[in-house]
Formats: sequence, C-alpha cells, structure tokens
Amino acid sequence: NAGVTQTPKFRVLKTGQSMTLLCAQDMNHEYMYWYRQDPGMGLRLIHYSVGEGTTAKGEVPDGYNVSRLKKQNFLLGLESAAPSQTSVYFCASIWGGSGNHEQYFGPGTRLTVT
Amino acid sequence: DAKTTQPTSMDCAEGRAANLPCNHSTISGNEYVYWYRQIHSQGPQYIIHGLKNNETNEMASLIITEDRKSSTLILPHATLRDTAVYYCIAFSGSARQLTFGSGTQLTVLP
Repeated sequence: NAGVTQTPKFRVLKTGQSMTLLCAQDMNHEYMYWYRQDPGMGLRLIHYSVGEGTTAKGEVPDGYNVSRLKKQNFLLGLESAAPSQTSVYFCASIWGGSGNHEQYFGPGTRLTVT
Repeated sequence: DAKTTQPTSMDCAEGRAANLPCNHSTISGNEYVYWYRQIHSQGPQYIIHGLKNNETNEMASLIITEDRKSSTLILPHATLRDTAVYYCIAFSGSARQLTFGSGTQLTVLP
C-alpha cells in the first residue's frame, strides 16, 4: 500500500512550456485534491474531484487544468507555464464515505518556472 | 466549510504541554474539526479530528467547547520534532471542498 504518490518530485520548466503532474492513490479513495504552496504560505486549493470523471474548481484554478479519467489517478496540467506558477504542488485524497474524512497527502512536486 | 481562525505563531518549552487554539464560530452541525500539521516542506500530516466530544489518540488530545465554536489541540509533552505549522479545519464530507487557512507556527524551544 503506497498511499498517495506524485510524479515527478522535481521539475524545472521554461516559461511557456507545458507539463502534467501525476497523482496516484491505491486506497480506493473517491475524493482527490490538488494544492499549491508558495514559500512561507499556506496551502491553496487549485482543483478537486469527487469521483471518477468529475472535476471542480478550487480557490486558484486559473492556468491549470485537471482530469480524473481513472479513480486512482488525478492529473494536473499546466498548458503554458509562467514564473508565478513556481511552487510546491501537493496532491491529497479522502475516502469520501461517511464518518472519517482524513486527508492523505503525497510528498509534493517542486516546480520551478524560469 | 466554516472559516477557522488561529494565532499566527506560538512558542512552547520542550517537555511542556502545547495548547493550540482554534476559533470556528460559524461551524455547522455536520462539520467535523480536523487538525493537521506540516513539518518543514513535507506534505501535511493528519493528527486528530472530532465532532462534539473530546478526543485523544497517541499524538494529541482535542478539546471542543460545548457550543462547538472553538477547540484546542493539546500536545501533552512537546518535543523539538513537534515544531511545525498546525492547521485547524472545519469540514463535512457533503461540502467536499477542503481548504486550509494560514495555520499556527508552533516552535518548541529547548
């Protein structure tokens, strides 16, 4: 049981390049989330999904797209990277049933856009 | 989800109890109070959660006031490894969107 994994762990992009961050969970969780965390700041929600085939916008969705084609995977895409998107990106998942809604986090992806 | 308010920072002496307050005056009846912490640049780590009753686990205790408008996370014997940012969140599964506030930077002093 690997929990929540993120690929890649580090990446450097040039302005205008595109990339996709992959989040995978093996806990059969329904809900998945993408956050960004800038230096010295708290986590801000980018997009989230409450089930396979569904996505929704969070607090800071501009410049990002997401897809949840399979229940275990949640992809975050940057179509045209900008220096303002330099950040650490965390993925998380929640079971989604009644009762305990403990959120499990991945180790993060550190992205630098030059 | 209800908005939560926490102090920006707190200090605690090693070996003493750390009491971290959280205000959630607009919490609704079906929202749980969750606590997480983030050590340095790692992913946040779940600590404890509760609805009405006080809760205790191997990491901490959670005290929720009777009116549920505030809560306190207690680390009974703080160690240097407990230095982290602690987040208090009010969340119900039906709301689905889970957002973090600014949290409290706890520094445990030797």
